[in-house]
Amino acid sequence: DQQVKQNSPSLSVQEGRISILNCDYTNSMFDYFLWYKKYPAEGPTFLISISSIKDKNEDGRFTVFLNKSAKHLSLHIVPSQPGDSAVYFCAATGGTSYGKLTFGQGTILTVHP
Amino acid sequence: GAVVSQHPSRVICKSGTSVKIECRSLDFQATTMFWYRQFPKKSLMLMATSNEGSKATYEQGVEKDKFLINHASLTLSTLTVTSAHPEDSSFYICSASEGNEKLFFGSGTQLSVL
Repeated sequence: DQQVKQNSPSLSVQEGRISILNCDYTNSMFDYFLWYKKYPAEGPTFLISISSIKDKNEDGRFTVFLNKSAKHLSLHIVPSQPGDSAVYFCAATGGTSYGKLTFGQGTILTVHP
Repeated sequence: GAVVSQHPSRVICKSGTSVKIECRSLDFQATTMFWYRQFPKKSLMLMATSNEGSKATYEQGVEKDKFLINHASLTLSTLTVTSAHPEDSSFYICSASEGNEKLFFGSGTQLSVL
């Protein structure tokens, strides 16, 4: 049972354009969501998070949007840079399992110069 | 930001041997650490929650006798893969929290069992 889903295995965008990475979840107990960036054979690096009491959180080029009714969140990167090319994972936690993350499958982002 | 160190980064071992992976929080105390596992092109899957001074809590389907976890201090948790077999080959990652919502991850350990 995949409680966190990233339905796009890959995304390719041009440098300078916007990258939009999507994530859906099914568990209503999740109340905190995170995005991580990961390179092969390395641990994930935290990017940005959002609490369920908010619908938007912005940090520099990264913005995360949360639609609780749709159980959907998205990560916007603008402008995209070649150095953003990596695997992006969304993760969720909450309820009695707070602190334990449930990850999506990841989306490979490629930003072309 | 908080730093989590994981060692070794890569290990190759023979089938039947045991391998120990260390996870250290370098600049904060972590009463709880988490161990994840990632198969190629797959998501990170939580294996167990490591609690300082008590037994680890394992996720369903994870063999506690195969994956021994010891959280002996507030800055160190170890994962020992006992009697490793080729199917244990995977990327293992630990994480720790300094008390807020953010979890910081180690750099991971690539285990290859021959």
